Amino acid sequence: AQTVTQSQPEMSVQEAETVTLSCTYDTSENNYYLFWYKQPPSRQMILVIRQEAYKQQNATENRFSVNFQKAAKSFSLKISDSQLGDTAMYFCAFTPTGFQKLVFGTGTRLLVSP
Amino acid sequence: SAVISQKPSRDICQRGTSLTIQCQVDSQVTMMFWYRQQPGQSLTLIATANQGSEATYESGFVIDKFPISRPNLTFSTLTVSNMSPEDSSIYLCSVEEGTSYEQYFGPGTRLTVT
Repeated sequence: AQTVTQSQPEMSVQEAETVTLSCTYDTSENNYYLFWYKQPPSRQMILVIRQEAYKQQNATENRFSVNFQKAAKSFSLKISDSQLGDTAMYFCAFTPTGFQKLVFGTGTRLLVSP
Repeated sequence: SAVISQKPSRDICQRGTSLTIQCQVDSQVTMMFWYRQQPGQSLTLIATANQGSEATYESGFVIDKFPISRPNLTFSTLTVSNMSPEDSSIYLCSVEEGTSYEQYFGPGTRLTVT
């Protein structure tokens, strides 16, 4: 069975600082996709970033970047220059190629303070 | 990405009644998904709905409790039947877009059962 683990229930960071959220997953698949989603208090799930397992290059989207370590089955999210609007729940998610079904981690609550 | 709306945004219902949640997409999509997010928890997939076929339910979810309709490529409904307080959750629909299994989510329906 595929599982996604987020070991940090809560994190806090000050504005303008950098924070890294951890995610590990377990799968026997070789081809898959990994995602980070953000859910602010408004509860709208927002796709932050995507990583294809066959790509060695780490994905980046503006202030958001990932550290993808396939052998270690690790997929961490780095948020640079944190902003108050980054306060949200962050969910790591996984899907094997062809399954079209997301498996979510338990989430990390991030609080950005002034 | 597709724009997804859900109705109602929230509701308070009595035990034993049923509620139908609507999900409308502004473009035609093949795959639609329904998730449940219990208070303070992660997302759990209820079922996958393809137009023109029966929904595929995940383990622990049954059609009698969560009947789903998918009459066309832009619309789906999820009914929560014979509700109990344990059904109090946020229900989210999502659609898959592109070739990388990305899912985009509606704003969710917050259901409280008293």
